[in-house]
Amino acid sequence: EAQVTQNPRYLITVTGKKLTVTCSQNMNHEYMSWYRQDPGLGLRQIYYSMNVEVTDKGDVPEGYKVSRKEKRNFPLILESPSPNQTSLYFCASSLPQQGVTDTQYFGPGTRLTVL
Amino acid sequence: AQSVAQPEDQVNVAEGNPLTVKCTYSVSGNPYLFWYVQYPNRGLQFLLKYITGDNLVKGSYGFEAEFNKSQTSFHLKKPSALVSDSALYFCAVRDVSGAGSYQLTFGKGTKLSVIP
Repeated sequence: EAQVTQNPRYLITVTGKKLTVTCSQNMNHEYMSWYRQDPGLGLRQIYYSMNVEVTDKGDVPEGYKVSRKEKRNFPLILESPSPNQTSLYFCASSLPQQGVTDTQYFGPGTRLTVL
Repeated sequence: AQSVAQPEDQVNVAEGNPLTVKCTYSVSGNPYLFWYVQYPNRGLQFLLKYITGDNLVKGSYGFEAEFNKSQTSFHLKKPSALVSDSALYFCAVRDVSGAGSYQLTFGKGTKLSVIP
Protein backbone atom coordinates (compact mmCIF):
# COMPACT_ATOMS: atom_id res chain seq x y z
CA GLU A 1 0.00 0.00 0.00
CA ALA A 2 1.31 3.43 -0.99
CA GLN A 3 1.66 5.50 2.14
CA VAL A 4 3.54 8.00 4.26
CA THR A 5 4.29 6.79 7.77
CA GLN A 6 5.29 8.83 10.79
CA ASN A 7 6.60 7.73 14.14
CA PRO A 8 5.78 8.22 16.87
CA ARG A 9 2.14 9.19 16.51
CA TYR A 10 2.05 10.72 19.97
CA LEU A 11 4.91 12.06 22.06
CA ILE A 12 5.11 13.88 25.36
CA THR A 13 8.52 15.19 26.28
CA VAL A 14 10.23 17.83 28.38
CA THR A 15 11.96 21.05 27.43
CA GLY A 16 15.46 20.56 26.09
CA LYS A 17 15.34 16.83 25.48
CA LYS A 18 16.35 16.15 21.89
CA LEU A 19 13.87 14.20 19.83
CA THR A 20 13.42 12.92 16.29
CA VAL A 21 10.18 12.31 14.44
CA THR A 22 10.65 9.91 11.58
CA CYS A 23 8.91 10.06 8.22
CA SER A 24 9.07 7.44 5.53
CA GLN A 25 7.35 7.04 2.17
CA ASN A 26 7.22 4.01 -0.11
CA MET A 27 6.21 5.77 -3.32
CA ASN A 28 9.69 6.75 -4.54
CA HIS A 29 8.72 10.40 -4.23
CA GLU A 30 11.41 13.02 -4.67
CA TYR A 31 9.70 15.83 -2.77
CA MET A 32 9.12 15.63 0.97
CA SER A 33 8.00 18.23 3.44
CA TRP A 34 7.21 18.86 7.10
CA TYR A 35 4.32 20.98 8.35
CA ARG A 36 3.00 21.95 11.72
CA GLN A 37 -0.69 22.52 12.35
CA ASP A 38 -1.84 24.89 15.06
CA PRO A 39 -5.38 26.09 15.83
CA GLY A 40 -6.16 29.31 14.02
CA LEU A 41 -2.92 29.18 12.07
CA GLY A 42 -3.58 26.31 9.70
CA LEU A 43 -0.63 24.43 8.26
CA ARG A 44 2.75 26.07 8.13
CA GLN A 45 5.67 24.58 6.27
CA ILE A 46 8.79 23.91 8.33
CA TYR A 47 11.24 22.41 5.85
CA TYR A 48 11.05 20.72 2.50
CA SER A 49 13.35 18.64 0.37
CA MET A 50 13.39 18.37 -3.40
CA ASN A 51 15.65 15.32 -3.42
CA VAL A 52 18.37 13.50 -1.54
CA GLU A 53 20.79 15.91 0.16
CA VAL A 54 18.67 18.92 -0.91
CA THR A 55 16.70 20.70 1.79
CA ASP A 56 15.21 24.19 2.09
CA LYS A 57 13.56 26.25 4.78
CA GLY A 58 9.84 26.78 4.79
CA ASP A 59 7.94 29.45 6.67
CA VAL A 60 8.80 28.40 10.23
CA PRO A 61 12.17 26.58 10.33
CA GLU A 62 13.46 27.99 13.63
CA GLY A 63 14.16 25.31 16.20
CA TYR A 64 14.02 22.44 13.71
CA LYS A 65 16.51 20.46 11.65
CA VAL A 66 16.00 17.95 8.89
CA SER A 67 18.13 15.61 6.85
CA ARG A 68 17.58 13.72 3.61
CA LYS A 69 20.18 11.01 3.29
CA GLU A 70 17.86 8.59 1.52
CA LYS A 71 14.98 9.26 -0.82
CA ARG A 72 12.40 7.47 1.33
CA ASN A 73 13.21 9.07 4.72
CA PHE A 74 12.95 12.64 5.94
CA PRO A 75 13.33 12.88 9.73
CA LEU A 76 12.46 16.01 11.69
CA ILE A 77 14.84 16.80 14.53
CA LEU A 78 14.19 19.04 17.49
CA GLU A 79 17.58 19.57 19.15
CA SER A 80 16.20 21.42 22.16
CA PRO A 81 12.40 21.35 22.16
CA SER A 82 10.47 24.16 23.78
CA PRO A 83 6.80 24.42 24.79
CA ASN A 84 6.01 26.60 21.75
CA GLN A 85 6.82 23.59 19.58
CA THR A 86 3.84 21.75 21.01
CA SER A 87 1.85 21.07 17.87
CA LEU A 88 0.50 18.53 15.39
CA TYR A 89 3.13 17.67 12.82
CA PHE A 90 2.55 16.28 9.34
CA CYS A 91 4.98 14.85 6.87
CA ALA A 92 4.07 14.87 3.19
CA SER A 93 5.57 13.66 -0.07
CA SER A 94 4.96 14.11 -3.75
CA LEU A 95 6.48 13.30 -7.12
CA PRO A 96 7.46 16.50 -8.92
CA GLN A 97 6.47 16.39 -12.53
CA GLN A 98 8.32 18.63 -14.91
CA GLY A 99 9.55 20.66 -12.02
CA VAL A 100 6.07 21.09 -10.61
CA THR A 101 5.24 19.91 -7.16
CA ASP A 102 2.33 17.59 -7.64
CA THR A 103 -0.35 16.34 -5.30
CA GLN A 104 1.02 15.82 -1.82
CA TYR A 105 0.36 12.68 0.19
CA PHE A 106 0.21 13.27 3.91
CA GLY A 107 1.16 11.07 6.81
CA PRO A 108 -1.24 10.50 9.72
CA GLY A 109 0.36 13.14 11.93
CA THR A 110 2.42 13.26 15.12
CA ARG A 111 1.00 15.02 18.12
CA LEU A 112 3.88 16.46 20.13
CA THR A 113 3.58 17.96 23.60
CA VAL A 114 6.59 19.68 25.14
CA LEU A 115 6.27 20.32 28.87
CA ALA B 1 5.69 36.40 -0.93
CA GLN B 2 2.78 34.09 -1.55
CA SER B 3 -0.22 33.92 0.74
CA VAL B 4 -3.67 32.39 1.03
CA ALA B 5 -6.74 33.71 2.81
CA GLN B 6 -9.75 31.66 3.85
CA PRO B 7 -12.04 34.37 5.18
CA GLU B 8 -14.47 32.06 6.97
CA ASP B 9 -13.39 30.03 9.98
CA GLN B 10 -16.61 28.03 9.78
CA VAL B 11 -19.31 27.38 7.23
CA ASN B 12 -22.63 25.77 8.13
CA VAL B 13 -24.89 24.37 5.46
CA ALA B 14 -27.95 22.16 5.46
CA GLU B 15 -27.68 18.72 3.91
CA GLY B 16 -28.72 18.81 0.27
CA ASN B 17 -27.98 22.50 -0.15
CA PRO B 18 -25.09 23.80 -2.25
CA LEU B 19 -21.92 24.68 -0.40
CA THR B 20 -19.12 27.16 -1.04
CA VAL B 21 -15.84 27.45 0.83
CA LYS B 22 -13.97 30.60 -0.09
CA CYS B 23 -10.29 31.05 -0.88
CA THR B 24 -8.33 34.01 -2.17
CA TYR B 25 -4.62 34.05 -2.90
CA SER B 26 -1.73 36.37 -3.54
CA VAL B 27 1.30 35.53 -5.67
CA SER B 28 3.69 37.58 -7.72
CA GLY B 29 3.62 35.20 -10.67
CA ASN B 30 1.31 32.42 -11.77
CA PRO B 31 -0.42 30.30 -9.14
CA TYR B 32 -0.87 26.60 -8.74
CA LEU B 33 -3.85 26.10 -6.44
CA PHE B 34 -4.94 23.14 -4.36
CA TRP B 35 -7.74 22.11 -2.04
CA TYR B 36 -7.19 19.54 0.69
CA VAL B 37 -9.62 18.07 3.22
CA GLN B 38 -8.88 16.88 6.73
CA TYR B 39 -11.27 14.55 8.52
CA PRO B 40 -11.05 14.32 12.32
CA ASN B 41 -7.87 12.65 13.56
CA ARG B 42 -6.61 12.11 10.02
CA GLY B 43 -4.00 13.59 7.75
CA LEU B 44 -4.87 15.80 4.82
CA GLN B 45 -6.28 14.34 1.64
CA PHE B 46 -6.04 15.87 -1.81
CA LEU B 47 -9.33 17.06 -3.36
CA LEU B 48 -8.41 18.94 -6.51
CA LYS B 49 -5.92 21.29 -8.11
CA TYR B 50 -5.64 24.00 -10.71
CA ILE B 51 -2.48 24.08 -12.75
CA THR B 52 -3.52 25.50 -16.10
CA GLY B 53 -6.32 25.24 -18.62
CA ASP B 54 -10.02 25.18 -17.82
CA ASN B 55 -10.91 27.49 -14.96
CA LEU B 56 -13.44 25.00 -13.59
CA VAL B 57 -11.71 22.09 -11.95
CA LYS B 58 -13.50 18.94 -10.88
CA GLY B 59 -12.17 16.79 -8.07
CA SER B 60 -12.92 14.00 -5.66
CA TYR B 61 -16.27 13.37 -3.91
CA GLY B 62 -18.22 15.66 -6.26
CA PHE B 63 -16.29 18.81 -5.37
CA GLU B 64 -15.28 21.43 -7.89
CA ALA B 65 -13.49 24.76 -7.77
CA GLU B 66 -13.38 27.76 -10.05
CA PHE B 67 -10.18 29.67 -10.69
CA ASN B 68 -10.84 33.38 -11.13
CA LYS B 69 -7.66 35.24 -12.01
CA SER B 70 -9.17 38.75 -11.89
CA GLN B 71 -10.53 38.17 -8.40
CA THR B 72 -7.55 36.01 -7.34
CA SER B 73 -9.98 33.45 -5.98
CA PHE B 74 -10.31 29.69 -6.01
CA HIS B 75 -13.58 28.89 -4.22
CA LEU B 76 -14.52 25.30 -3.50
CA LYS B 77 -18.07 24.26 -4.35
CA LYS B 78 -20.40 21.30 -4.27
CA PRO B 79 -23.97 21.29 -5.63
CA SER B 80 -25.46 19.18 -2.84
CA ALA B 81 -23.81 18.83 0.57
CA LEU B 82 -23.63 15.56 2.48
CA VAL B 83 -23.24 15.14 6.23
CA SER B 84 -20.09 13.16 5.46
CA ASP B 85 -18.57 16.32 3.88
CA SER B 86 -18.21 17.79 7.37
CA ALA B 87 -14.48 18.35 7.79
CA LEU B 88 -11.73 20.94 7.78
CA TYR B 89 -10.85 22.30 4.33
CA PHE B 90 -7.55 23.87 3.36
CA CYS B 91 -6.71 25.93 0.32
CA ALA B 92 -3.04 26.05 -0.74
CA VAL B 93 -1.02 27.97 -3.31
CA ARG B 94 2.34 27.80 -5.03
CA ASP B 95 3.88 30.66 -6.94
CA VAL B 96 5.53 28.82 -9.79
CA SER B 97 7.45 31.70 -11.20
CA GLY B 98 9.43 32.97 -8.25
CA ALA B 99 12.24 31.92 -5.97
CA GLY B 100 11.27 29.17 -3.58
CA SER B 101 8.67 28.01 -6.03
CA TYR B 102 8.51 24.56 -4.49
CA GLN B 103 7.16 26.01 -1.27
CA LEU B 104 3.47 25.39 -0.66
CA THR B 105 1.52 27.88 1.46
CA PHE B 106 -1.72 26.81 3.14
CA GLY B 107 -4.62 28.87 4.37
CA LYS B 108 -5.79 28.65 7.98
CA GLY B 109 -8.57 26.27 7.13
CA THR B 110 -12.37 26.43 7.08
CA LYS B 111 -14.46 24.08 9.16
CA LEU B 112 -17.45 22.87 7.19
CA SER B 113 -20.43 21.55 9.13
CA VAL B 114 -23.27 19.97 7.19
CA ILE B 115 -26.43 19.85 9.24
CA PRO B 116 -28.82 16.93 8.71
